[in-house]
Amino acid sequence: DGGITQSPKYLFRKEGQNVTLSCEQNLNHDAMYWYRQDPGQGLRLIYYSQIVNDFQKGDIAEGYSVSREKKESFPLTVTSAQKNPTAFYLCATTYGGANYGYTFGSGTRLTVV
Amino acid sequence: EDQVTQSPEALRLQEGESSSLNCSYTVSGLRGLFWYRQDPGKGPEFLFTLYSAGEEKEKERLKATLTKKESFLHITAPKPEDSATYLCAVQARTSGSRLTFGEGTQLTVNP
Repeated sequence: DGGITQSPKYLFRKEGQNVTLSCEQNLNHDAMYWYRQDPGQGLRLIYYSQIVNDFQKGDIAEGYSVSREKKESFPLTVTSAQKNPTAFYLCATTYGGANYGYTFGSGTRLTVV
Repeated sequence: EDQVTQSPEALRLQEGESSSLNCSYTVSGLRGLFWYRQDPGKGPEFLFTLYSAGEEKEKERLKATLTKKESFLHITAPKPEDSATYLCAVQARTSGSRLTFGEGTQLTVNP
């Protein structure tokens, strides 16, 4: 079964701690995205990658970092510089080019404790 | 800057009571407009892509339409299982594959 796997489903972060969210896909899609979803604010783009070893900042990249060493994987690190990290994080992929809808993972809910 | 505004924020319907959700957009050259359904605690699920004004697409009780300034998602005779948040997104010709999302409409259908 092709799809996107996000892990963990729930994650708790202590103040000052870095945490990494995993996103793995076996759809052979070129482009991968990270979105943050807060209540009443829709989805906001954090980072995206069109090809391996290349990525671009989205609209709210401060306090986050990513890597794209393999086509299948696009992990997101939430650093201690991100002051308000509590949110629902969604990873998405697309076949690359325009006109294709995204396929989303099931999300990771991050909470600061 | 591309912008998407969805209304209403929340909509409560009785089973069988048809209605429409609105998505107004401003984009520098529309490549595509997308509708997604999102259930609580899950990732959005793709519904439709519309490319040009006048285009319509249907899936079961849902029909999406597109004009030059807005899109409507019409829900005919909804059932409780249609309850979800419906998200609209636009893709501009100048933005590659990036999507800009609206804030969503939370639909509740009561039996």
